[in-house]
Amino acid sequence: QLVLTQSPSASASLGASVKLTCTLSSGHSHYAIAWHQQQPEKGPRYLMKLNNDGSHNKGDGIPDRFSGSSSGADRYLTISSLQSEDEADYYCQTWGIDTQVFGGGTKLTVL
Amino acid sequence: QLHLQESGPGLVKPSETLSLTCTVSGDSITTSDYYWGWIRQPPGKGLEWIGSIYYSGNTYYNPSLMSRVTMSVDTSKSQFSLKLSSVTAADTAMYYCGRLSFRSNGPGGQCDYWGQGTVVTVSS
Repeated sequence: QLVLTQSPSASASLGASVKLTCTLSSGHSHYAIAWHQQQPEKGPRYLMKLNNDGSHNKGDGIPDRFSGSSSGADRYLTISSLQSEDEADYYCQTWGIDTQVFGGGTKLTVL
Repeated sequence: QLHLQESGPGLVKPSETLSLTCTVSGDSITTSDYYWGWIRQPPGKGLEWIGSIYYSGNTYYNPSLMSRVTMSVDTSKSQFSLKLSSVTAADTAMYYCGRLSFRSNGPGGQCDYWGQGTVVTVSS
């Protein structure tokens, strides 16, 4: 079964960097994913598509502070030079033959 | 600039059918490059894919909702729609429409554009 696992919460200080993780279920480590940001009381915003080789394509207007990388079944979103507006929920998404799946989301707190 | 706008009743009675429409502007809904999808988010919870539709009418549905979901597309109006029957309180959620990259063997890939969402409450 295709499943994405995310830690429920993360925190980092203003100006620092943070690396969020999304883990693909067994047998699906070659899958691409997408990352989305959802700021409080707003709809989701597409950040990037991240392939299993670490290559990624960002959405329109996404700052260079956002980057992606991959290792095995893990897909990472790194946010550098954290700003207050980066405090948000971050969701990963993937897709299979007949399904779309979202991770449970990580709530990022900027201290 | 692509824009997606959800519309429909904000309140639906239990056991009735929820009906929503997504209007697409700024790009053609008949482009071969994309699927169009519905995703929902119950209050305080995560995102759940409901289904995807291609401009030709080809559909994929979440197996957990398949028995209650119908999606359709009206290319003349640049709209696609969602019907969810026999609703209960568990269907109360923010409903989003989105654009999904095309895949030849599945319900689309990444959702690269989202609508702003519309709240639907199921209550008598």
